[in-house]
Amino acid sequence: AQSVSQHNHHVILSEAASLELGCNYSYGGTVNLFWYVQYPGQHLQLLLKYFSGDPLVKGIKGFEAEFIKSKFSFNLRKPSVQWSDTAEYFCAVNAGNNRKLIWGLGTSLAVNP
Amino acid sequence: KAGVTQTPRYLIKTRGQQVTLSCSPISGHRSVSWYQQTPGQGLQFLFEYFSETQRNKGNFPGRFSGRQFSNSRSEMNVSTLELGDSALYLCASSLFIGLQETQYFGPGTRLLVL
Repeated sequence: AQSVSQHNHHVILSEAASLELGCNYSYGGTVNLFWYVQYPGQHLQLLLKYFSGDPLVKGIKGFEAEFIKSKFSFNLRKPSVQWSDTAEYFCAVNAGNNRKLIWGLGTSLAVNP
Repeated sequence: KAGVTQTPRYLIKTRGQQVTLSCSPISGHRSVSWYQQTPGQGLQFLFEYFSETQRNKGNFPGRFSGRQFSNSRSEMNVSTLELGDSALYLCASSLFIGLQETQYFGPGTRLLVL
C-alpha cells in the first residue's frame, strides 16, 4: 500500500535557523507531491506542489522543496525561519491512477523568537 | 474568489445521534473530497464526489455517507455517532488542469461526540 512518512514529528527551532522537514513516500511510478501548512487555528493551506519538470519547487513564504526520485523524497526547506512559521506541516502524495491523496502524519514546527 | 466554506464550524452531539455537515466548494470546482483529521491518525480520506457521483471512497464504515448536489455543494452524514467520531472534518475542492489536481481546503467542522 502507498504510504507517506514524515520523519520529524516535532521540531523546535530558533528564529533565523534553517529548516528541513523530511518526506518520503512509497510508490515507484509517477507521483504528484504536495506540502500543506496548518497555522494555529487556521485551515490547511497549500505551500507548494510538484507535478513535473524542475524538481526544485518554490512555494509561498520562502519555502521550497526538492523532489529526488531516486530517494522517493520530497523534503521541505526554508533557509531562515520566522516565529510566524510556527505551524503543522503536512506532506501528501497522489500516486498513479489512485486519485486519493495519501498524507503524512504531519510535523509540528515551533519557532522560538 | 471565495474559498471553501464549511458549516457548521463546531458541533456537539451525543452517541447514537446523527449529524450532517455541509461544504460549498470554490466556484467552478466540481470535485469535493472529505477527510477526517485526528491527532493520532492524521488526515484520513473519506470520499470524493465529482458531478454528483461518488468517484472514490476511503476505508470508513457505512455510517459515513455523502452526496453532492448539482451546484457542487456537498454534504456528509454520519449516523449512529460513536465517541471515536470526534474529529475535525475537512472538505476540499479540487482544481484540475488537465490531469493535475490541486486540493483547496475549508476551515473544517469540529465535531465532538459525548
